[in-house]
Amino acid sequence: GENVEQHPSTLSVQEGDSAVIKCTYSDSASNYFPWYKQELGKGPQLIIDIRSNVGEKKDQRIAVTLNKTAKHFSLHITETQPEDSAVYFCASTGFQKLVFGTGTRLLVSP
Amino acid sequence: GAVVSQHPSRVICKSGTSVKIECRSLDFQATTMFWYRQFPKKSLMLMATSNEGSKATYEQGVEKDKFLINHASLTLSTLTVTSAHPEDSSFYICSATQNRGGAYNEQFFGPGTRLTVL
Repeated sequence: GENVEQHPSTLSVQEGDSAVIKCTYSDSASNYFPWYKQELGKGPQLIIDIRSNVGEKKDQRIAVTLNKTAKHFSLHITETQPEDSAVYFCASTGFQKLVFGTGTRLLVSP
Repeated sequence: GAVVSQHPSRVICKSGTSVKIECRSLDFQATTMFWYRQFPKKSLMLMATSNEGSKATYEQGVEKDKFLINHASLTLSTLTVTSAHPEDSSFYICSATQNRGGAYNEQFFGPGTRLTVL
């Protein structure tokens, strides 16, 4: 089955810096790659996603890139703010069932 | 739109009792609902997939007699943890999706239920 690896497990940045989180997946049939933000004690919230027919997608300060050949995708957050502090999960799916990465705890210091 | 609620948000129970958690899609009809379990500082692990009106499909290693799932309507799925024990303490999260065809339908997640078994 699908296996998703995520790095780093923790990431500390200063406010205004950029943050990059990387994921790799194993199933070449996977074609949908969402990113979720989870705040303490809450459910995950979709922040951006990308499909396999697209190499890059951007939404304001957030962007995601996908390299299907290498089977990896990345989340880029620019101009980080303290409210970006949370745990971020990548996920992949080929058909309905999501497989999540191990999570990255992002801490943005003022 | 696409709001999913869970009830209760927190529950504390004694060992040996059963606990029911509800998952509702508030503004759409959910053809499929998913139940996840998340241990502290860990990722979400899929427990089971349920389609309205049919039996749930459980992931490998998840005891179907321990975690009873019912998806009786297009807006409600319930997870019952039977004879709960301290090791069942966890954060349970549901998600719901509406089948619109295509390879993938976005999952909308509920806020989660924190279960503590004493």
